[in-house]
Amino acid sequence: EAQVTQNPRYLITVTGKKLTVTCSQNMNHEYMSWYRQDPGLGLRQIYYSMNVEVTDKGDVPEGYKVSRKEKRNFPLILESPSPNQTSLYFCASSAGRNQPQHFGDGTRLSIL
Amino acid sequence: ILNVEQSPQSLHVQEGDSTNFTCSFPSSNFYALHWYRWETAKSPEALFVMTLNGDEKKKGRISATLNTKEGYSYLYIKGSQPEDSATYLCAFNGGATNKLIFGTGTLLAVQP
Repeated sequence: EAQVTQNPRYLITVTGKKLTVTCSQNMNHEYMSWYRQDPGLGLRQIYYSMNVEVTDKGDVPEGYKVSRKEKRNFPLILESPSPNQTSLYFCASSAGRNQPQHFGDGTRLSIL
Repeated sequence: ILNVEQSPQSLHVQEGDSTNFTCSFPSSNFYALHWYRWETAKSPEALFVMTLNGDEKKKGRISATLNTKEGYSYLYIKGSQPEDSATYLCAFNGGATNKLIFGTGTLLAVQP
């Protein structure tokens, strides 16, 4: 089954404790993205990647890192999480710029 | 700063009513316009990706039109059903990157 898998689905952690949210897709898609969803603000793109070893900043990259060492994986790293990064995060992949995005189930992060 | 605006913010209709929403986006450097349907507690699902001015797409009772010269797209739902209740998101992709700018969505509630 074609899917985008995010882990964990839920995480409560404390300020400053490094965390990684993994994202994996099995559709051989070149494009992958991370978004955060906050009430009243809609989905905002954090980082995106157009291919292996090619990543670029979205609208809200501050406080986040990503890597794309393999085509299928696109982890989101919070080196020193802060409470303002409490949010619902989505990973997505697509076959191209004019192709639909396939979203993972989301990861709800709470930073205390 | 690129802006994507959707209206109305929310809409309450009766079962059987037909309805439409608007997505406004920058009219320069257009590449693609996406529409997604987002049900509560789920992840966004792609409806359409539109790339050509004047394009019309249809999926069942849902259809969309695109005007890239004036920077707007309409989404139509014919004969709304309670299962159509969701947030409908549009997203603009322009320039030479995979940066995707989402609107804040239109929340549709269909009363039986």
